[in-house]
Amino acid sequence: EDKVVQSPLSLVVHEGDTVTLNCSYEVTNFRSLLWYKQEKKAPTFLFMLTSSGIEKKSGRLSSILDKKELFSILNITATQTGDSAIYLCAVEGNTPLVFGKGTRLSVIA
Amino acid sequence: DSGVTQTPKHLITATGQRVTLRCSPRSGDLSVYWYQQSLDQGLQFLIQYYNGEERAKGNILERFSAQQFPDLHSELNLSSLELGDSALYFCASSVDRDPQYFGPGTRLLVL
Repeated sequence: EDKVVQSPLSLVVHEGDTVTLNCSYEVTNFRSLLWYKQEKKAPTFLFMLTSSGIEKKSGRLSSILDKKELFSILNITATQTGDSAIYLCAVEGNTPLVFGKGTRLSVIA
Repeated sequence: DSGVTQTPKHLITATGQRVTLRCSPRSGDLSVYWYQQSLDQGLQFLIQYYNGEERAKGNILERFSAQQFPDLHSELNLSSLELGDSALYFCASSVDRDPQYFGPGTRLLVL
């Protein structure tokens, strides 16, 4: 059965800190790994990763995939209170998307 | 705003009833996905349609069914509702095997 495990489950940091969120997976016929940010309602798309070792970057957020070790990390530098959210990792294999439980990030001023 | 629309935003109903949730995908997207999000289970894939045809099925109960119409909008029908069906139901869409973009969700409360 496809599985996605995220760690930590929750994290509290101060503004300006750098955080690393982890995602490990087991999936049949891996196609891609995606990161989403969920604030009040709908998950919003952040990154889609298909190749190992290629960093994707958007502003203060970046992510990289290791297909040999079956994990990905999401980095957020210089955190702001607006980064407070649940960050979801999902993998696409035979099932369109299998989600992890998420990491709840709280950034305090 | 992802461009995916869902109606209604909220729904309150009683056990045993039937409801229909509606989703309009982003312009140009052919795939529609339905997900259920509850506190204990997280986001669970239910079913996918691609250009009107069922493409993949996840943990969808027999009491639930879906369809995608020629104009590509989709409906999720939930029948014989139980208390445990209370959850957020999301629709997502993509062109094909691309990032999925999620709608705002329908919050269903079964009393």
